[in-house]
Amino acid sequence: QKEVEQNSGPLSVPEGAIASLNCTYSDRVSQSFFWYRQYSGKSPELIMSIYSNGDKEDGRFTAQLNKASQYVSLLIRDSQPSDSATYLCAAITGGGNKLTFGTGTQLKVEL
Amino acid sequence: DAGITQSPRHKVTETGTPVTLRCHQTENHRYMYWYRQDPGHGLRLIHYSYGVKDTDKGEVSDGYSVSRSKTEDFLLTLESATSSQTSVYFCAISGLAGDGDTGELFFGEGSRLTVL
Repeated sequence: QKEVEQNSGPLSVPEGAIASLNCTYSDRVSQSFFWYRQYSGKSPELIMSIYSNGDKEDGRFTAQLNKASQYVSLLIRDSQPSDSATYLCAAITGGGNKLTFGTGTQLKVEL
Repeated sequence: DAGITQSPRHKVTETGTPVTLRCHQTENHRYMYWYRQDPGHGLRLIHYSYGVKDTDKGEVSDGYSVSRSKTEDFLLTLESATSSQTSVYFCAISGLAGDGDTGELFFGEGSRLTVL
């Protein structure tokens, strides 16, 4: 079992819709979680971090964390074509000293 | 933008030759990382450094070595390149100057290596 798992997609949503990206993790002691966005041919960039159960909002992005279910999600409201990218979920695992990435979910926002 | 640069950005080499990739930062961050990214595997940590001359292995360290003689430079060396090391290599620094591995990474632009 991979430590951080994501559906590779592609996930296709129409412009203006809500995109929902999901991630599960296996290390129960993980405390810190991150979402990175990576455009094709570019490097990853951090867009959200979340450390507590519940929701964290930043503009059109909302990160959700449920530690009991070992589940992290990213919601993108009012999706735009410029949101089309691969979204990488990451967690600090291994007792707090290793950042592990999922394989990423490709999002396509269609006009 | 975080001041982090990688060189070379593209390199084609032959099996068995040595290759060194350089990562340079201007931010005085303590933690520096080398990742490789391959389809179906995502980003995998090769080596990381938590200070000058302080380095440790990641999950895919076989065939790679690193050195950090100055805060600003982190070198990744493939002693004898193999075709399985064809990949995109990313250097990253952590989000806080000085101490602290926060998980909030800033990435360089990547180095695409092809081993024929």
